[in-house]
Amino acid sequence: DAGVIQSPRHEVTEMGQEVTLRCKPISGHDYLFWYRQTMMRGLELLIYFNNNVPIDDSGMPEDRFSAKMPNASFSTLKIQPSEPRDSAVYFCASRRGGLGGELFFGEGSRLTVL
Amino acid sequence: EDQVTQSPEALRLQEGESSSLNCSYTVSGLRGLFWYRQDPGKGPEFLFTLYSAGEEKEKERLKATLTKKESFLHITAPKPEDSATYLCAVQVQGGSEKLVFGKGTKLTVNP
Repeated sequence: DAGVIQSPRHEVTEMGQEVTLRCKPISGHDYLFWYRQTMMRGLELLIYFNNNVPIDDSGMPEDRFSAKMPNASFSTLKIQPSEPRDSAVYFCASRRGGLGGELFFGEGSRLTVL
Repeated sequence: EDQVTQSPEALRLQEGESSSLNCSYTVSGLRGLFWYRQDPGKGPEFLFTLYSAGEEKEKERLKATLTKKESFLHITAPKPEDSATYLCAVQVQGGSEKLVFGKGTKLTVNP
């Protein structure tokens, strides 16, 4: 299995630009999660989907952030407009349904907003 | 508010020097506690799940234990390849699939 695939691995952009991060979960996994990691706040859940439906987006910082999952094999996290405080590593993770928290994480997308 | 606190923030050990990492939690109701390992530039990698006080899980040089207020990750005779950041996370009762993570303990094992 190829694992969770994220792109881009690194993104450097100017303040005010739109940023789109992409994720391909592991085939057969029912849940997809977007996390953000910073030194100050650690890993924080932004949003998660179950069977392509957003279930909990309470961690999305503000309206500048949006996430979609048009099908079972693809999700995007968009930031528009981006700000320097959005600089972080963004992780996508997926897992099967049922009991347990064994998340499979991608390698992350490191975002730097200048 | 559900909280997870890990200590110490960083730990340096000599190869073969056993020690323990702590994860204390304050939650309304624990559904499960999870340990992950994170190497630099990588995503977290799952290690263990613990569901109830008294439960223990082992994998190679690592053993995780759980009480009603905290969990320990015991590292026996560590090797340099055990160097990583170890993350603890809790899942709370109530139906959400959300994991709340601690900030981690950065472990360095010197040869």
